[in-house]
Amino acid sequence: KQEVTQIPAALSVPEGENLVLNCSFTDSAIYNLQWFRQDHGKGLTSLLLIQSSQREQTSGRLNASLDKSSGRSTLYIAASQPGDSATYLCAAPPQGGSEKLVFGKGTKLTVNP
Amino acid sequence: GAVVSQHPSRVICKSGTSVKIECRSLDFQATTMFWYRQFPKQSLMLMATSNEGSKATYEQGVEKDKFLINHASLTLSTLTVTSAHPEDSSFYICSARQAGGPDTQYFGPGTRLTVL
Repeated sequence: KQEVTQIPAALSVPEGENLVLNCSFTDSAIYNLQWFRQDHGKGLTSLLLIQSSQREQTSGRLNASLDKSSGRSTLYIAASQPGDSATYLCAAPPQGGSEKLVFGKGTKLTVNP
Repeated sequence: GAVVSQHPSRVICKSGTSVKIECRSLDFQATTMFWYRQFPKQSLMLMATSNEGSKATYEQGVEKDKFLINHASLTLSTLTVTSAHPEDSSFYICSARQAGGPDTQYFGPGTRLTVL
């Protein structure tokens, strides 16, 4: 059974700082892994999708890496801004599955101006 | 592109009533839609997978007679919470996968259900 864990649960940083969010998963035979952003009381916005054959994906100030062998993914945010404040969720398919997603509990990020 | 809408965004109802939530893919066709539930400070939990023209597949522990799902077209899926009770109060989010598109799921803005 796929389990996704995110550490830390919450993170508060000053504006401009570079930061790393961590995600670990128990079943390394995943098809892909996704990172999402959720603003308070809102839906999810897809940030990055990493296929199992890839090691990282980049979009603007965001970089996500994937290490299947260790069951880990990281989301790197460069030069953080107050607008980056949100909860960041990672999700991976369940064991043997591809369409469904198992979510971590998320990391609540606060970037202070 | 790839926008998913949900209606209503917020609903308050009395215990025992039924509530219908709509999920629409606005600019793409979605053969598969997913319904999630999120309790405060908890992760999203998949409730069911909805496939156009066929019965939904429910996750273990989710009552199919209580949470009725209909996926009547390639752009619309509905979730009906029947005989709602206070413990059904939650944030319900749908997502959709684009037919023939990438693996990315596109999420709706969510529906906040409060059962009094």
